[in-house]
Amino acid sequence: GAGVSQSPRYKVAKRGQDVALRCDPISGHVSLFWYQQALGQGPEFLTYFQNEAQLDKSGLPSDRFFAERPEGSVSTLKIQRTQQEDSAVYLCASSLAGEAFFGQGTRLTVV
Amino acid sequence: GNSVTQMEGPVTLSEEAFLTINCTYTATGYPSLFWYVQYPGEGLQLLLKATKADDKGSNKGFEATYRKETTSFHLEKGSVQVSDSAVYFCALIGAAGNKLTFGGGTRVLVKP
Repeated sequence: GAGVSQSPRYKVAKRGQDVALRCDPISGHVSLFWYQQALGQGPEFLTYFQNEAQLDKSGLPSDRFFAERPEGSVSTLKIQRTQQEDSAVYLCASSLAGEAFFGQGTRLTVV
Repeated sequence: GNSVTQMEGPVTLSEEAFLTINCTYTATGYPSLFWYVQYPGEGLQLLLKATKADDKGSNKGFEATYRKETTSFHLEKGSVQVSDSAVYFCALIGAAGNKLTFGGGTRVLVKP
């Protein structure tokens, strides 16, 4: 596609509910990143894939967070048993030659 | 670990004013430095970058110079427009890495 696409754009979840956030990277981009952006703050790194391999998951805040990219293209970030502190914008970026291209993000609100 | 500190906003300016947003960083070795911009309702976009000391990145009238001696990458524009109203993020990628470390962002509002 022309750019990185994320869905849904907005998600409201009740506390304790599981959510799945999708990222469609730019075709041919090997590297894919997930970031979490709390209100009024800069994005913070969650996890990184090179093709289907998850090479770095050091930023995932707890074992309730899980990401996958099984075929080296589309990626899904799953959050189990959501809590209020999970409310944030989740950004996906794909990268080629060191330049990262970001999607518009998914705004997750946990109520 | 790596970190980026940038001036807090909001910064409010009149059209055609001079804009400076300060950014300093902490990193080992020689990181690559970036400025990203987030316009209202849009995703993060790369504005400019510099990959080695003394490099100057420039785009859309914005400039930033990689200063190793002061560990800084300040963003400047000589004459802002209303359309420059956005949130600006300074960021780096460490010498041995590939993930971005962002500052907290600076909101800029340009009034006509």
